[in-house]
Amino acid sequence: AQSVTQLGSHVSVSEGALVLLRCNYSSSVPPYLFWYVQYPNQGLQLLLKYTTGATLVKGINGFEAEFKKSETSFHLTKPSAHMSDAAEYFCAFRGDSNYQLIWGAGTKLIIKP
Amino acid sequence: ETGVTQSPTHLIKTRGQQVTLRCSSQSGHNTVSWYQQALGQGPQFIFQYYREEENGRGNFPPRFSGLQFPNYSSELNVNALELDDSALYLCASSLNPSAGLETQYFGPGTRLLVL
Repeated sequence: AQSVTQLGSHVSVSEGALVLLRCNYSSSVPPYLFWYVQYPNQGLQLLLKYTTGATLVKGINGFEAEFKKSETSFHLTKPSAHMSDAAEYFCAFRGDSNYQLIWGAGTKLIIKP
Repeated sequence: ETGVTQSPTHLIKTRGQQVTLRCSSQSGHNTVSWYQQALGQGPQFIFQYYREEENGRGNFPPRFSGLQFPNYSSELNVNALELDDSALYLCASSLNPSAGLETQYFGPGTRLLVL
Protein backbone atom coordinates (compact mmCIF):
# COMPACT_ATOMS: atom_id res chain seq x y z
CA ALA A 1 0.00 0.00 0.00
CA GLN A 2 1.14 3.51 -0.73
CA SER A 3 1.75 5.68 2.30
CA VAL A 4 3.70 8.58 3.75
CA THR A 5 5.16 8.63 7.23
CA GLN A 6 6.30 11.81 8.92
CA LEU A 7 8.32 11.13 12.02
CA GLY A 8 7.31 13.33 14.90
CA SER A 9 4.00 15.13 15.14
CA HIS A 10 5.85 18.00 16.81
CA VAL A 11 9.44 19.19 16.35
CA SER A 12 10.90 21.96 18.48
CA VAL A 13 14.11 23.82 17.59
CA SER A 14 15.75 27.00 18.78
CA GLU A 15 15.85 30.05 16.56
CA GLY A 16 19.00 29.83 14.41
CA ALA A 17 19.30 26.06 14.75
CA LEU A 18 19.05 23.45 12.01
CA VAL A 19 15.58 22.33 11.04
CA LEU A 20 15.13 18.68 10.03
CA LEU A 21 11.69 17.28 9.29
CA ARG A 22 11.55 13.64 8.28
CA CYS A 23 9.45 12.03 5.59
CA ASN A 24 9.47 8.43 4.38
CA TYR A 25 7.23 7.05 1.69
CA SER A 26 6.11 3.70 0.41
CA SER A 27 5.34 3.49 -3.28
CA SER A 28 5.35 0.85 -5.98
CA VAL A 29 6.26 3.39 -8.68
CA PRO A 30 8.78 6.23 -8.83
CA PRO A 31 7.17 8.95 -6.76
CA TYR A 32 6.78 12.62 -7.26
CA LEU A 33 7.37 14.18 -3.84
CA PHE A 34 6.20 17.41 -2.28
CA TRP A 35 6.51 19.46 0.87
CA TYR A 36 3.73 21.87 1.77
CA VAL A 37 3.49 24.36 4.65
CA GLN A 38 0.30 25.39 6.42
CA TYR A 39 0.23 28.49 8.58
CA PRO A 40 -2.58 28.85 11.14
CA ASN A 41 -5.97 29.52 9.53
CA GLN A 42 -4.46 29.42 6.04
CA GLY A 43 -4.41 27.01 3.13
CA LEU A 44 -1.48 24.87 2.06
CA GLN A 45 1.46 26.45 0.26
CA LEU A 46 3.95 24.50 -1.83
CA LEU A 47 7.49 24.68 -0.43
CA LEU A 48 9.24 22.46 -2.98
CA LYS A 49 8.76 19.42 -5.15
CA TYR A 50 10.78 16.60 -6.69
CA THR A 51 9.70 15.06 -9.96
CA THR A 52 12.81 13.93 -11.85
CA GLY A 53 16.43 15.00 -12.20
CA ALA A 54 18.53 16.48 -9.42
CA THR A 55 17.77 14.79 -6.13
CA LEU A 56 18.53 17.88 -4.02
CA VAL A 57 15.66 20.28 -4.41
CA LYS A 58 15.65 23.88 -3.24
CA GLY A 59 12.43 25.59 -2.28
CA ILE A 60 11.13 28.82 -0.90
CA ASN A 61 12.11 30.42 2.40
CA GLY A 62 15.52 28.70 2.44
CA PHE A 63 14.18 25.16 2.67
CA GLU A 64 15.56 22.22 0.74
CA ALA A 65 14.96 18.50 0.56
CA GLU A 66 16.88 15.52 -0.77
CA PHE A 67 15.29 12.53 -2.45
CA LYS A 68 17.05 9.32 -1.40
CA LYS A 69 15.60 6.39 -3.29
CA SER A 70 17.56 3.77 -1.35
CA GLU A 71 16.16 5.09 1.91
CA THR A 72 12.71 5.97 0.47
CA SER A 73 13.09 9.33 2.16
CA PHE A 74 12.53 12.98 1.34
CA HIS A 75 13.60 14.89 4.47
CA LEU A 76 13.15 18.66 4.66
CA THR A 77 15.95 20.85 6.03
CA LYS A 78 16.75 24.47 6.67
CA PRO A 79 20.16 25.54 8.02
CA SER A 80 18.90 28.25 10.37
CA ALA A 81 15.39 28.41 11.80
CA HIS A 82 13.49 31.66 11.95
CA MET A 83 10.51 32.46 14.14
CA SER A 84 8.40 32.87 10.99
CA ASP A 85 8.99 29.19 10.13
CA ALA A 86 6.61 28.12 12.89
CA ALA A 87 3.86 26.25 11.05
CA GLU A 88 2.71 22.75 10.15
CA TYR A 89 4.57 20.95 7.40
CA PHE A 90 3.15 18.19 5.22
CA CYS A 91 4.96 15.72 3.03
CA ALA A 92 2.99 14.30 0.09
CA PHE A 93 3.58 12.20 -2.98
CA ARG A 94 1.93 11.21 -6.18
CA GLY A 95 2.13 7.48 -6.64
CA ASP A 96 0.41 5.48 -9.34
CA SER A 97 -2.54 7.82 -9.61
CA ASN A 98 -2.48 10.81 -11.90
CA TYR A 99 -5.03 12.78 -9.99
CA GLN A 100 -4.35 12.58 -6.28
CA LEU A 101 -1.66 13.18 -3.73
CA ILE A 102 -1.13 10.97 -0.70
CA TRP A 103 -0.31 12.97 2.40
CA GLY A 104 1.50 12.49 5.65
CA ALA A 105 -0.12 13.43 8.95
CA GLY A 106 1.97 16.56 9.28
CA THR A 107 4.69 17.85 11.61
CA LYS A 108 4.16 20.96 13.66
CA LEU A 109 7.38 22.98 13.81
CA ILE A 110 7.86 25.01 16.98
CA ILE A 111 10.58 27.65 17.13
CA LYS A 112 11.96 28.57 20.53
CA PRO A 113 13.36 32.07 20.98
CA GLU B 1 -4.68 37.35 -10.79
CA THR B 2 -6.95 36.17 -8.01
CA GLY B 3 -6.11 33.10 -5.98
CA VAL B 4 -8.34 30.24 -4.92
CA THR B 5 -11.24 31.38 -2.76
CA GLN B 6 -13.65 29.32 -0.69
CA SER B 7 -16.93 30.09 1.00
CA PRO B 8 -18.08 30.08 3.67
CA THR B 9 -15.06 30.20 5.96
CA HIS B 10 -16.86 28.52 8.84
CA LEU B 11 -20.06 26.53 9.08
CA ILE B 12 -21.98 24.76 11.84
CA LYS B 13 -24.51 22.08 10.98
CA THR B 14 -26.34 19.34 12.82
CA ARG B 15 -26.20 15.64 12.14
CA GLY B 16 -28.38 14.59 9.20
CA GLN B 17 -28.36 17.97 7.51
CA GLN B 18 -26.91 18.74 4.08
CA VAL B 19 -24.16 21.23 3.29
CA THR B 20 -22.76 22.90 0.16
CA LEU B 21 -19.25 24.33 0.07
CA ARG B 22 -18.02 26.53 -2.75
CA CYS B 23 -14.69 27.10 -4.44
CA SER B 24 -13.52 29.53 -7.09
CA SER B 25 -10.45 28.33 -8.91
CA GLN B 26 -7.44 30.42 -9.82
CA SER B 27 -7.74 32.24 -13.12
CA GLY B 28 -6.87 29.93 -16.02
CA HIS B 29 -7.12 26.71 -13.99
CA ASN B 30 -9.56 24.09 -15.28
CA THR B 31 -9.05 21.46 -12.58
CA VAL B 32 -10.35 21.49 -9.02
CA SER B 33 -9.59 18.96 -6.31
CA TRP B 34 -11.31 18.69 -2.94
CA TYR B 35 -9.69 17.42 0.25
CA GLN B 36 -10.91 16.72 3.77
CA GLN B 37 -8.48 17.51 6.58
CA ALA B 38 -9.54 16.23 9.97
CA LEU B 39 -7.97 17.76 13.05
CA GLY B 40 -4.38 16.58 13.49
CA GLN B 41 -4.28 14.76 10.18
CA GLY B 42 -3.12 15.35 6.65
CA PRO B 43 -5.54 16.06 3.82
CA GLN B 44 -7.52 13.16 2.37
CA PHE B 45 -8.42 13.33 -1.31
CA ILE B 46 -12.17 13.40 -1.95
CA PHE B 47 -12.43 13.89 -5.70
CA GLN B 48 -11.24 15.93 -8.64
CA TYR B 49 -13.17 17.74 -11.36
CA TYR B 50 -11.80 18.52 -14.80
CA ARG B 51 -13.84 20.37 -17.38
CA GLU B 52 -17.08 19.77 -15.47
CA GLU B 53 -16.59 16.01 -15.14
CA GLU B 54 -15.45 13.97 -12.13
CA ASN B 55 -11.93 12.89 -13.00
CA GLY B 56 -11.08 10.74 -10.01
CA ARG B 57 -12.36 9.89 -6.57
CA GLY B 58 -10.90 8.91 -3.24
CA ASN B 59 -12.35 6.61 -0.61
CA PHE B 60 -15.43 8.66 0.28
CA PRO B 61 -19.06 7.50 0.25
CA PRO B 62 -21.56 8.67 -2.41
CA ARG B 63 -23.11 11.19 -0.02
CA PHE B 64 -20.07 13.29 -0.91
CA SER B 65 -20.78 14.72 -4.35
CA GLY B 66 -19.60 17.62 -6.41
CA LEU B 67 -20.12 19.86 -9.37
CA GLN B 68 -17.94 21.96 -11.59
CA PHE B 69 -19.36 24.86 -13.57
CA PRO B 70 -18.38 26.24 -16.99
CA ASN B 71 -16.29 28.93 -15.30
CA TYR B 72 -14.45 26.06 -13.48
CA SER B 73 -15.72 27.02 -10.03
CA SER B 74 -16.85 24.05 -8.01
CA GLU B 75 -19.16 22.88 -5.25
CA LEU B 76 -18.80 20.10 -2.72
CA ASN B 77 -22.07 18.73 -1.39
CA VAL B 78 -22.34 16.47 1.62
CA ASN B 79 -25.66 14.82 2.47
CA ALA B 80 -26.75 13.20 5.71
CA LEU B 81 -23.99 14.82 7.72
CA GLU B 82 -22.26 12.73 10.37
CA LEU B 83 -20.21 13.90 13.35
CA ASP B 84 -17.04 12.57 11.69
CA ASP B 85 -17.57 14.95 8.78
CA SER B 86 -16.33 17.75 11.03
CA ALA B 87 -13.12 18.88 9.35
CA LEU B 88 -11.39 21.55 7.28
CA TYR B 89 -12.39 21.17 3.63
CA LEU B 90 -9.76 22.35 1.21
CA CYS B 91 -10.13 23.14 -2.45
CA ALA B 92 -7.15 23.22 -4.78
CA SER B 93 -6.99 24.29 -8.39
CA SER B 94 -4.41 23.41 -11.01
CA LEU B 95 -3.74 23.97 -14.68
CA ASN B 96 -4.49 20.36 -15.56
CA PRO B 97 -5.41 17.09 -13.86
CA SER B 98 -1.91 15.80 -13.36
CA ALA B 99 -1.33 16.87 -9.78
CA GLY B 100 2.10 15.36 -9.77
CA LEU B 101 3.44 17.59 -12.45
CA GLU B 102 1.63 20.79 -11.76
CA THR B 103 1.47 22.89 -8.66
CA GLN B 104 -1.85 22.85 -6.93
CA TYR B 105 -2.96 26.15 -5.45
CA PHE B 106 -4.97 25.77 -2.28
CA GLY B 107 -7.71 27.91 -0.89
CA PRO B 108 -7.89 28.80 2.81
CA GLY B 109 -10.52 26.14 3.45
CA THR B 110 -13.96 25.90 4.99
CA ARG B 111 -14.13 24.66 8.55
CA LEU B 112 -17.23 22.54 9.07
CA LEU B 113 -18.47 21.57 12.51
CA VAL B 114 -21.21 18.96 12.76
CA LEU B 115 -23.05 18.82 16.09
